Amino acid sequence: GESVGLHLPTLSVQEGDNSIINCAYSNSASDYFIWYKQESGKGPQFIIDIRSNMDKRQGQRVTVLLNKTVKHLSLQIAATQPGDSAVYFCADSDFDNYGQNFVFGPGTRLSVLP
Amino acid sequence: DTGVSQDPRHKITKRGQNVTFRCDPISEHNRLYWYRQTLGQGPEFLTYFQNEAQLEKSRLLSDRFSAERPKGSFSTLEIQRTEQGDSAMYLCASRSGTDYSPLHFGNGTRLTVT
Repeated sequence: GESVGLHLPTLSVQEGDNSIINCAYSNSASDYFIWYKQESGKGPQFIIDIRSNMDKRQGQRVTVLLNKTVKHLSLQIAATQPGDSAVYFCADSDFDNYGQNFVFGPGTRLSVLP
Repeated sequence: DTGVSQDPRHKITKRGQNVTFRCDPISEHNRLYWYRQTLGQGPEFLTYFQNEAQLEKSRLLSDRFSAERPKGSFSTLEIQRTEQGDSAMYLCASRSGTDYSPLHFGNGTRLTVT
């Protein structure tokens, strides 16, 4: 089966609050992880990535945390805005075993409440 | 950099017909991918090109599917004798030649087989 999955299929948050989207992966050899945002009718949009030699990486309003011990990845969005409403996917790669393929989870839908 | 471009955006065809989709990657990217996405699911890998060479193919890519990248620039994905189960979003992505670089997706071609 696929190596990447998500704990929660839907997440509703109040505008202005912080959001945390979680992802579990099963391949301990995965060494590169990416978060994507997908809006309706569009392709996935790159948000942030992290290599396995790091445990935290920050972008603009987003932070990705990687816990290799429990094979868990999370995306934190600060001060969530209505424009953040979308489906979020995590993806992992393991160039030794997957080749150049990236494996995606099923996604979490984030709904931002006014 | 105009991003990854896909054409057409939507295609409706009758079962048994052949269809062809085109993808223009980001110009400096030598790696090109095709993924398929059905409603409520994450993208599933179909095939991968490095320059003009097709290096990996998923078992999802039946013999009715063929992809080409003749000059190492744009790519085409052809589906012969379409079936209703082929209805999906077909996503193209490209990435640079370094290992730890993310996929950049186009907005996909939505195929509906009636």
